[in-house]
Amino acid sequence: DAGVIQSPRHEVTEMGQEVTLRCKPISGHNSLFWYRQTMMRGLELLIYFNNNVPIDDSGMPEDRFSAKMPNASFSTLKIQPSEPRDSAVYFCASSLRVGETNEKLFFGSGTQLSVL
Amino acid sequence: GDSVTQMEGPVTLSEEAFLTINCTYTATGYPSLFWYVQYPGEGLQLLLKATKADDKGSNKGFEATYRKETTSFHLEKGSVQVSDSAVYFCALINAFQGAQKLVFGQGTRLTINP
Repeated sequence: DAGVIQSPRHEVTEMGQEVTLRCKPISGHNSLFWYRQTMMRGLELLIYFNNNVPIDDSGMPEDRFSAKMPNASFSTLKIQPSEPRDSAVYFCASSLRVGETNEKLFFGSGTQLSVL
Repeated sequence: GDSVTQMEGPVTLSEEAFLTINCTYTATGYPSLFWYVQYPGEGLQLLLKATKADDKGSNKGFEATYRKETTSFHLEKGSVQVSDSAVYFCALINAFQGAQKLVFGQGTRLTINP
C-alpha cells in the first residue's frame, strides 16, 4: 500500500487566496483526521471523519476553514481566504477504527503551507 | 479535558548515551498511551504503545512503562544512535471520552551527535 497520500507537498500563496489541500487515505481505513503543526502550538487536531461523516470539527480555527470527505478515498481541507497565520504543516492521517477506538494512525508526509 | 505534557526540547545527546524523554498525562478513566516519532520531512509513525497500567511498550530499543500512580509514560533508550534523531510525541486516547481521537503532547526534538 502506498500509505496516506497528500498533495501538494508544498504550497506558497498570497494572503486572500483560496487554498485546497488534498488527502487520499489508506484503502480500507474508515477514519480520517486533519492535523495542523506549528512551532507555537504543536500538533492540533482540526477535524476528523468516521465513514466519511464529520464527527468532531471543534478544532477548526474559524469559518475560513472547511473540510469535506465526499467518498472513502478522498478528502479536502480548504482555507478561504488564507492568511499568513495559517502558515503551517498540515497532516492528514487515517486509521481503521475497530469498535470504539482509533488507536493507530498512519500519517501522510504533510503539506507545507506558506501564506505570504 | 485530557492533556499530555512532555519535557521541553530540544534534547541533544552523543551517540550511545542513555535517553529519557518525560511524559505525563491528565485524563479521566483509563487511557491508552502512545509514543509517536516524526523523522525529518515525514509524517508521524507509531513507535510503541501501552494500553493498561504497568504495561511496557517497546520497539527498536525504545521502552516506556505505563505508570498510573504517577500518570507518566516516560520514553527510554539505553544507547541512542544518530538515526534516532527525530521529534518524539507522547499521546493518549481515552475510551472514557469515546476513544476516537488521539491527544498529542507538544513534541520533543531529539538530536544525536556522532
